[in-house]
Amino acid sequence: QVLLQESGPGLVKPSETLSLTCAVSGYSISSGYYWDWIRQPPGKGLEWIGSIYHSGSTYYNPSLKGRLTISVDTSKNQFSLKVKSVTAADTAVYYCARDSSMTGLLDYWGQGTLVTVSS
Amino acid sequence: QSALTQPPSASGSPGQSVTISCTGTSSDVGGYNYVSWYQQHPGKAPKLMTYEVSKRPSGVPDRFSGSKSGNTASLTVSGLQAEDEADYYCSSYAGSNNYVFGIGTKVTVL
Repeated sequence: QVLLQESGPGLVKPSETLSLTCAVSGYSISSGYYWDWIRQPPGKGLEWIGSIYHSGSTYYNPSLKGRLTISVDTSKNQFSLKVKSVTAADTAVYYCARDSSMTGLLDYWGQGTLVTVSS
Repeated sequence: QSALTQPPSASGSPGQSVTISCTGTSSDVGGYNYVSWYQQHPGKAPKLMTYEVSKRPSGVPDRFSGSKSGNTASLTVSGLQAEDEADYYCSSYAGSNNYVFGIGTKVTVL
C-alpha cells in the first residue's frame, strides 16, 4: 500500500519561506509517476501547486511560479516543497499526492498538514 | 488559469440520484478527456472517485459515474447513501503540464 506523509512547521512568519516534505512508503519514487503538492485554504477549495516527475522535471502552477521550488530526494524516497515570501494568503492545509499521469489523476494522498502564516 | 465552475450545493434523499456539473472551457474540460472527480469528507484528504471522465478506480462503487459533454463534465451519484454526504471536486487537465480544480460542491443527503 502506498502511503504519503507530510511534515514541516505548522507556523511560518510572513515574508519567510514555507518548507514541507512528503515521505513516501510502499512505492519507490524513482520507479515512476509524478508527485504533486496541492493546498486548501481553510473553508475553501483545492488548488494545484505543482508537480515533480521522478526524474526531477518540475511543473508549477503559473499563478505561483516564481515563489515555488519542488525537489525530490530518491535516496530518502521523499519530495519537498518550498514557497518563498509567504503571506497570510498561503495559509492552508497542504497535501502531497501521487499523480498517475500529470493530468490531475491523484490516486494516493497524504493526510494533509495545516500551515499557518502569521507573525 | 481559472477554477472550474461547480454549483455550491446539491442534495437528494436516500436512494435518489444527484448530478453535479463541472463547467470549464475548450482549453481544459472540453479539450481533453482528463477529468477526475474527488470526494472529501470533513477533515479528511480527498479521495479519487472517477478519472478520465468515466473510469472508476478499484473499490469505488458503481453508484458513482462520470460523463462529459462539450465543456461540461458531470458526476452522478445514484442510490444516495448517508455516507455520500461530502464535498466533491472536479479536476481537469488544462494543457502545458498543468491542471485545475473546480470550486467544489457540497452534497447533502436529506
